[in-house]
Amino acid sequence: DAGVIQSPRHEVTEMGQEVTLRCKPISGHDYLFWYRQTMMRGLELLIYFNNNVPIDDSGMPEDRFSAKMPNASFSTLKIQPSEPRDSAVYFCASRSTGTGHEKLFFGSGTQLSVL
Amino acid sequence: GQQLNQSPQSMFIQEGEDVSMNCTSSSIFNTWLWYKQEPGEGPVLLIALYKAGELTSNGRLTAQFGITRKDSFLNISASIPSDVGIYFCAGQRGRTGANNLFFGTGTRLTVIP
Repeated sequence: DAGVIQSPRHEVTEMGQEVTLRCKPISGHDYLFWYRQTMMRGLELLIYFNNNVPIDDSGMPEDRFSAKMPNASFSTLKIQPSEPRDSAVYFCASRSTGTGHEKLFFGSGTQLSVL
Repeated sequence: GQQLNQSPQSMFIQEGEDVSMNCTSSSIFNTWLWYKQEPGEGPVLLIALYKAGELTSNGRLTAQFGITRKDSFLNISASIPSDVGIYFCAGQRGRTGANNLFFGTGTRLTVIP
């Protein structure tokens, strides 16, 4: 059974470049979450979708960040333009309707370094 | 956002020793979750707690939901090298909805063989 799949695993880019992170949730899961993890702030929720619709994006740091979910099996998180302070590990997670967070599954993350 | 404080921040222990860590909050939660994160991976759920005072075990792991509902504890008995990782607590106010799940700052565990 495939889990949540994220790509790339590592991304190194220069300040000002566009970065796109990708996520494939577990098949059948209708909630998808994007988290950011840093040493200073720990795990923070950026945005989540239900049935491909963004429900709460209040955690998105600023307009440089955008997320889309064009279909049930794919989501992207885009940063444009990227800045060094965006360096972090970005996690995607998914679960099903009617389940609590005990059924939340995380991907392996994308380690982003902005130079 | 909501602050969940975990202590200690890091631990270095000998293999075979027991481990205790805790998580405290200024707010009440209805569910407490404990996750483990290994290097290069995402967090994986270890234990979920749903009731104040509840004590739940998962193998060598035991977690408790504090009576005040503002804290939780995780114990690992007879630690082994594969226990290394970062342990996170998370508090949740409801059963569904994403924006009411808050993560702690993590406890980094190192087990010395």
